[in-house]
Amino acid sequence: AQSVTQPDIHITVSEGASLELRCNYSYGATPYLFWYVQSPGQGLQLLLKYFSGDTLVQGIKGFEAEFKRSQSSINLRKPSVHWSDAAEYFCAVDPNQAGTALIFGKGTTLSVSS
Amino acid sequence: DSGVTQTPKHLITATGQRVTLRCSPRSGDLSVYWYQQSLDQGLQFLIQYYNGEERAKGNILERFSAQQFPDLHSELNLSSLELGDSALYFCASGPGSSNYGYTFGSGTRLTVV
Repeated sequence: AQSVTQPDIHITVSEGASLELRCNYSYGATPYLFWYVQSPGQGLQLLLKYFSGDTLVQGIKGFEAEFKRSQSSINLRKPSVHWSDAAEYFCAVDPNQAGTALIFGKGTTLSVSS
Repeated sequence: DSGVTQTPKHLITATGQRVTLRCSPRSGDLSVYWYQQSLDQGLQFLIQYYNGEERAKGNILERFSAQQFPDLHSELNLSSLELGDSALYFCASGPGSSNYGYTFGSGTRLTVV
C-alpha cells in the first residue's frame, strides 16, 4: 500500500547534539518529497524539498536531508540542535508530482533537553 | 506571518450546527488546499481548488464542501457537525504546481461540543 512512514513518534535530543529524523515512503516511482515543521499553535513551515538530482538537500534553519533511492527514504538531519528546534516534524510526499495533494506522515515530536 | 490568512482562529460550536472557515491565499498563489489535522488521523488532505475550479478531492465528507471565489479566497463549509469533526483545519496555498511546496496558514481550531 502507498504510504509515508515516520517510524519515530517521539525523540529527545540534548541541546547541541546531532539529530536525524527518519522518513520512508512506499510509492511506485520517486515522488516529490518534503519536510515540514510545526511549532505548537502554529501552521506548518516548509523546511526543504526534494525533486531530483543531488541526494543531499539543504533547507532552512540549518536542516538538511539525505535522499536514498535504494531505501525509499529521506531522512532529516541537523548537526547541532537548539532548544528552539523542539517541535513536530512531518515528512510529506506528492506522489503524482502534480501539485495536487500532499500525503503526510504521522509526524515525529522532537524534544530538546538542556 | 506566512501570508496565508485563516479566520477564525478558534471556533466552538454545538453538534448539528454549520460553520464556515475562511482562507485568503498568499498573494499570487492560485491554488488553495484544505487539510484536517486530528490526533487519530493526522494530516488529511480534503480538497484543492485552482483558480476557482475544484482540482482534486481527498478524504472530504459529504457534509463538507468548499469553494474558491474570484478573488481567490476560499471557504470550507462544515455542516451537521459531529463531535468527531473537532480538529485543526489548515488552509495552504501554492502556485498549483508542486515545485514550490505549499505555504500553510496557522489554522482554525474547531471544537464541537
